Amino acid sequence: QSALTQPPSASGSPGQSVTISCTGTSSDIGTYNYVSWYQQHPGKVPKLILYEVGRRPSGVPDRFSGSKSGNTASLTVSGLHADDEADYFCSSYAGNSGLLFGGGTKLTVL
Amino acid sequence: QVQLVQSGAEVKKPGASLRVSCEASGYTFTGYYIHWVRQAPGQGLEWMGWINPNSGGRKYAQQFEDRVTLTRDTSIRTAYMDLSSLRSDDTAVYYCARDREEWAQYPYFFLEVWGQGMLVTVSS
Repeated sequence: QSALTQPPSASGSPGQSVTISCTGTSSDIGTYNYVSWYQQHPGKVPKLILYEVGRRPSGVPDRFSGSKSGNTASLTVSGLHADDEADYFCSSYAGNSGLLFGGGTKLTVL
Repeated sequence: QVQLVQSGAEVKKPGASLRVSCEASGYTFTGYYIHWVRQAPGQGLEWMGWINPNSGGRKYAQQFEDRVTLTRDTSIRTAYMDLSSLRSDDTAVYYCARDREEWAQYPYFFLEVWGQGMLVTVSS
């Protein structure tokens, strides 16, 4: 099964909000709420920032929020900080195909 | 603290086999599924499979089914990923990652704790 589709890049100025989309199919995002988002700074390990569409692990600021509509999930980062500049990956459970990841979105804080 | 510690970087020849270890500490090893994910240089993440450290049950991503084997040794709290018939496009950082939910009947695929990654270079 193909990877989930994310825009390769996104950007915003400090304090602004930016939304990153993640498009799948009815076999993954459209059926399951097992959607997660990961943040990865250059040379670092991925960090889980959202799971089950919009739930935040302990310690993740509420500036990060998630939603889902149909086959598309979205990550919104509000009040952009300089250290939000990173790669963001979505993932979704896909039944017998296991776990699919998006290709990643490079977020630039202008 | 909760952590996963992986083995060090390796260089392999095409056709060789690879074993990556992942030692857990700070939590009940048998209580959480372990997933394996890889990331080729400058590329995205690719899920390889999961293992249930308690039962030994496992599932592989279809593209790796004929080449990957996931095992675990509960006595030393360590999970292993074996990958055979290495090719140049297997060059990647290999991660183990722990699922978020404890004592779940099935994995939830929320990868909350990650190992530091192991760089594997396949080159003749």
